[in-house]
Amino acid sequence: DAMVIQNPRYQVTQFGKPVTLSCSQTLNHNVMYWYQQKSSQAPKLLFHYYDKDFNNEADTPDNFQSRRPNTSFCFLDIRSPGLGDAAMYLCATSERQGNEQFFGPGTRLTVL
Amino acid sequence: AQSVTQLGSHVSVSEGALVLLRCNYSSSVPPYLFWYVQYPNQGLQLLLKYTSAATLVKGINGFEAEFKKSETSFHLTKPSAHMSDAAEYFCAVSDGQGGKLIFGQGTELSVKP
Repeated sequence: DAMVIQNPRYQVTQFGKPVTLSCSQTLNHNVMYWYQQKSSQAPKLLFHYYDKDFNNEADTPDNFQSRRPNTSFCFLDIRSPGLGDAAMYLCATSERQGNEQFFGPGTRLTVL
Repeated sequence: AQSVTQLGSHVSVSEGALVLLRCNYSSSVPPYLFWYVQYPNQGLQLLLKYTSAATLVKGINGFEAEFKKSETSFHLTKPSAHMSDAAEYFCAVSDGQGGKLIFGQGTELSVKP
């Protein structure tokens, strides 16, 4: 089945220690998104790639970076995680912007 | 600009009762509208979508939604709630032209036995 895969499902890191979350897709979609979701809140878009074009949301902290080495993979790097970065991180894909998005299962990040 | 308002952050129904989750949108262009469901510690799953075709849209798990332009609404309904429907539900809007998805704040549905 075509899908969006996120690894790991649960990640624990220490305050200030860099962490990388990964996302892969077998849907061959052009667009990949990263969202941050805190408890009882809607997902908040951090950035997205349309093919190789990177689009950062204006309010995404510089602490968050992303890489998309190829169509299938996309990474979220948090350079110096703070306690406030503990959240669920969701990866999503869509065939084109504005279409329905297909979400992965998420990675729950804990910062100690 | 687009926005979505979900009325009621928590809705509780009895098993077998009608489910009605409300969503109102604001959009300066014909909108694309979506309902997603999220179970605990899971990603979002698309329930159904409206993209300017039929105004009554049927989705998975027995859910449906009706696009009402005059009321700027896209309410989600299910005739008979099941325990497995307990989850968080998000309404979302896009302009279908490359704009991003705008989510409502979500409605948590509880189903009582």
